[in-house]
Amino acid sequence: QVQLQESGPGLVRPSQTLSLSCTVSGDSVGSTAYYWTWIRQHPGKGLEWIGYISYSGNTYYNPALKSRLAMSVDTSNNQFSLELASVTAADTAVYYCARIRSLRTVTMFDFWGQGTLVAVSS
Amino acid sequence: DIQMTQSPSSLSASVGDRVTITCRASQSISLFLNWYQQKPGKAPNLLIYAASSLQSGVPSRFSGSGSGADFTLTISNLQPEDLATYYCQQSYSTPYTFGQGTKLEIK
Repeated sequence: QVQLQESGPGLVRPSQTLSLSCTVSGDSVGSTAYYWTWIRQHPGKGLEWIGYISYSGNTYYNPALKSRLAMSVDTSNNQFSLELASVTAADTAVYYCARIRSLRTVTMFDFWGQGTLVAVSS
Repeated sequence: DIQMTQSPSSLSASVGDRVTITCRASQSISLFLNWYQQKPGKAPNLLIYAASSLQSGVPSRFSGSGSGADFTLTISNLQPEDLATYYCQQSYSTPYTFGQGTKLEIK
């Protein structure tokens, strides 16, 4: 069974960089079959897709966040990571990592981490 | 970006009822539509992909239909454990986008 687990600070100061990692078990981030993604959910709100990274490090970032965003993959530790720079209170959210599965041309988020709440506050 | 609009935003139904949630895209997205269930305090869970394909392990009382810009999630024989918020999501083009969610309450 595939499992994902987010880790990182629960509190980040304004203007600093939010850094999260996602550890994958039951699968390999080096697999050519999947991409890996981040999604966030502001408190009491809906879901916002942040971006994805492939096994080889190819990325696509949501244009709304692109200028502040960086993702990386660490195959040796079976992890992928997110960095969001210059954070403000508007970046306070639960951050989820997930696996992207593609079936023929259809893509879906088929396994999710439990989520981690990151608050931006001084 | 493709905008996804769900209706209703919330609904209340009784155990055993048949419930329908609709999702409309701002343009045609063919069959590139997924549905997720998010129970309180939990991560979303994939229910339906490609508009009508049931994800492995999901009860058969969940079904999806539609194509183009209009889609439907139907829950037949509603169960107490179906208390959740349901989201549609388009995978037609990046950035992937979600509907605002439909909160389902059990009477």
